[in-house]
Amino acid sequence: GEDVEQSLFLSVREGDSSVINCTYTDSSSTYLYWYKQEPGAGLQLLTYIFSNMDMKQDQRLTVLLNKKDKHLSLRIADTQTGDSAIYFCAETGGSYIPTFGRGTSLIVHP
Amino acid sequence: EAQVTQNPRYLITVTGKKLTVTCSQNMNHEYMSWYRQDPGLGLRQIYYSMNVEVTDKGDVPEGYKVSRKEKRNFPLILESPSPNQTSLYFCASSVTGQGQFYEQYFGPGTRLTVT
Repeated sequence: GEDVEQSLFLSVREGDSSVINCTYTDSSSTYLYWYKQEPGAGLQLLTYIFSNMDMKQDQRLTVLLNKKDKHLSLRIADTQTGDSAIYFCAETGGSYIPTFGRGTSLIVHP
Repeated sequence: EAQVTQNPRYLITVTGKKLTVTCSQNMNHEYMSWYRQDPGLGLRQIYYSMNVEVTDKGDVPEGYKVSRKEKRNFPLILESPSPNQTSLYFCASSVTGQGQFYEQYFGPGTRLTVT
């Protein structure tokens, strides 16, 4: 089946930028998503990008998509302690049922 | 308030004792699904439903059953739970269609421990 890969951990200092990377294998991916999971909570959609876009910016969040390399990244500018969470990359292909990565734990320290 | 609710939030049970985890959404969504989340494995889909009386297997359906008799409810049934089903379970819902973006709304999770 299709696969989505992410690194498991990222540690950054408060105020720095965070970049979380994701690679996927499904060449028919239509939408790519970033979800955030805070401790003890369900997943919440942060942002998404359509496969014909290269970049999407939403306040402190920037999503970059390299469709040729099947690489997706999420940049969080001015990272705050409240950004500490698990971030999931996900994609939907023709089935419109998402495949999730394993999640990247972002740790923000003072 | 638009939401997906799950009950119970926490459950400790013993091997073989049948249990049901309920899921309900108030957004009139056609699509509902169940995931389990395990450390290092991320989210894996158990079952999904495209509409009432339409269900299908996800990636890890063994040991689970679901039903979709009403649009708003999608219970997860473990007929004979085993310790390897100890996990964090999430229900989610969304609208469906083609060529459109569909955000999934997740419930708060049910932490199940089978001893």
